[in-house]
Amino acid sequence: DQQVKQNSPSLSVQEGRISILNCDYTNSMFDYFLWYKKYPAEGPTFLISISSIKDKNEDGRFTVFLNKSAKHLSLHIVPSQPGDSAVYFCAASGAGNTGKLIFGQGTTLQVKP
Amino acid sequence: GAVVSQHPSRVICKSGTSVKIECRSLDFQATTMFWYRQFPKQSLMLMATSNEGSKATYEQGVEKDKFLINHASLTLSTLTVTSAHPEDSSFYICSARKTGGYGYTFGSGTRLTVV
Repeated sequence: DQQVKQNSPSLSVQEGRISILNCDYTNSMFDYFLWYKKYPAEGPTFLISISSIKDKNEDGRFTVFLNKSAKHLSLHIVPSQPGDSAVYFCAASGAGNTGKLIFGQGTTLQVKP
Repeated sequence: GAVVSQHPSRVICKSGTSVKIECRSLDFQATTMFWYRQFPKQSLMLMATSNEGSKATYEQGVEKDKFLINHASLTLSTLTVTSAHPEDSSFYICSARKTGGYGYTFGSGTRLTVV
């Protein structure tokens, strides 16, 4: 039972353009969502998060949008840079961020110079 | 900022032996730590939640007698893979939550290879 899904295993964009990574979830009890960036053989690095009371959170080039009715969130990176190339995981937790994280399968982003 | 140190980063062991992986929060106290496992090109799968001073909570399908978790202090949790087999070869990652805080900080992971 995959409660957090990233249906696109990979994404390729040109440097300077927008990268949009998508994530869907099934558990309506999730109320806190996070995006992580991960390189091979390393632990995930936190990027940005959003609480279910918001529908948008922005931090520099990264913006996360949350559509609760659709149980969908997306991460926008603009402008994309070659250094953004990595695997991106969305994760969700419930009960006011006191619970465990459930991860999606990840999307490999490649930003071409 | 919050830093989590995970050690060792790589370990190779023989089948049947046990391996201990340490996860330390260096500059904060963590009542709760989490252990994940990642197979190549797959998601991070939560194995167990480690609570300081009490027994770990294991996810369904994770053998608690095989993956022993000890969280004896507010800054240290250990995962011991007992009687390791080649199928236990994987990338293990811990994360820690600051006591009373929000957010999760991840360790750098441990690549376990059982030969």
